[in-house]
Amino acid sequence: AQSVTQLDSQVPVFEEAPVELRCNYSSSVSVYLFWYVQYPNQGLQLLLKYLSGSTLVKGINGFEAEFNKSQTSFHLRKPSVHISDTAEYFCAVRKAAGNKLTFGGGTRVLVKP
Amino acid sequence: DSGVTQTPKHLITATGQRVTLRCSPRSGDLSVYWYQQSLDQGLQFLIQYYNGEERAKGNILERFSAQQFPDLHSELNLSSLELGDSALYFCASSFGQGAANTEAFFGQGTRLTVV
Repeated sequence: AQSVTQLDSQVPVFEEAPVELRCNYSSSVSVYLFWYVQYPNQGLQLLLKYLSGSTLVKGINGFEAEFNKSQTSFHLRKPSVHISDTAEYFCAVRKAAGNKLTFGGGTRVLVKP
Repeated sequence: DSGVTQTPKHLITATGQRVTLRCSPRSGDLSVYWYQQSLDQGLQFLIQYYNGEERAKGNILERFSAQQFPDLHSELNLSSLELGDSALYFCASSFGQGAANTEAFFGQGTRLTVV
């Protein structure tokens, strides 16, 4: 079975500062990795995904993530955050040949002016 | 807009009652997934259907059931409701399954409150 750990439940950050959200996973088989964002009272929106190939993945809204197989990590970064990035971020993993997503506990990002 | 439509958006009901949540997947998507988001359990996978057939099951209670109809919409039925069933229920859809399923699109969710 897969599991996902998001190491920070909350991350306060000032506007225009960089942010990194940490995600570690465990799995005995090949996996696909995802980051989703949930704005208040909204559904989940895909930010980016890693399926294979280049370990640096670029997503929407200026976010990027790096897959590190040896450290079983998939950390999300943004060099300069905006107030509108205030949201909850979820890391998720799925067996490459599977169907269901296993989510981490989420990281709440609060961007302060 | 993800293209996945869930109704109703909000539902308030009493303990012991039964409710039905509805999901219309994106046009062309064959797979439908149901997830539950609660404060204590986080986001949990419940069940998946592909082209009308159940394909994967998570920690879904026996009081809960789902189905996918020939027009590919899906319904999640929750019965004998308890206070602890209060949660946000998400539906997601994708075109394929397995290795061909590279991305799932989520609806806005149905917020269920059991009183």
